[in-house]
Amino acid sequence: DVQLLESGGGLEQPGGSLRLSCEASGFTFSNFAMNWVRQAPGKGLEWVSVISASGDRAYYVDSVKGRFTISRDNSKNTLYLQMSSLGAEDTATYYCARGNFDGVPAAPYYWGQGTLVTVSS
Amino acid sequence: QSVLTQPPSASGAPGQRVTISCSGSSSNIGRNFVYWYQQFPGAAPKLVVNKNDQWPSGVPDRFSGSKAGSSASLAISGLRSDDEADYYCAAWDDNHDLFVFGTGTKVTVL
Repeated sequence: DVQLLESGGGLEQPGGSLRLSCEASGFTFSNFAMNWVRQAPGKGLEWVSVISASGDRAYYVDSVKGRFTISRDNSKNTLYLQMSSLGAEDTATYYCARGNFDGVPAAPYYWGQGTLVTVSS
Repeated sequence: QSVLTQPPSASGAPGQRVTISCSGSSSNIGRNFVYWYQQFPGAAPKLVVNKNDQWPSGVPDRFSGSKAGSSASLAISGLRSDDEADYYCAAWDDNHDLFVFGTGTKVTVL
């Protein structure tokens, strides 16, 4: 079974940084693109970023460009999201989601359970 | 950012059919596949329609998707109480190079 386990969320002050991780199992991680999607409390889904299977291509939503960096370590079956200059608008549950093939764009297919990021002083 | 437009709510009695619309533009739905996701409160989303009208493994054929031009629809037939959830459409947008989600529709079984 495909399993995606996010970690790294928590309470961070405005202007701070956090790194989220997503450990994958149950499939060949290096064969699939990966996404990050977030959901603010009580709000809808917002796609954040996608990275290709090899890690050579990535896309971001405008609101995080220059502040967030998606990356992956295929030897560790792990996806990352480095977040900096955090603001209250970044408060959300962040989901890691496997794409449906290796290239980008690749729609979120399987989803993890999410990790909550709260930005507050 | 561009967003796909859905009705905020839809409802039907058990056994009935409910349809949810998703309106986009030529840069997203008009050119790319549409995906539909189901989300229960406090849970992660789950894909229920893949590439406009395909069923992911394990999803019953009571869920069916369609697309015409820059709009798409999700139909749920034989409505059951455990279909009560939020439903989101989504598609890649070529003009903005991003994946856009719909505004979400809450389905209630009367």
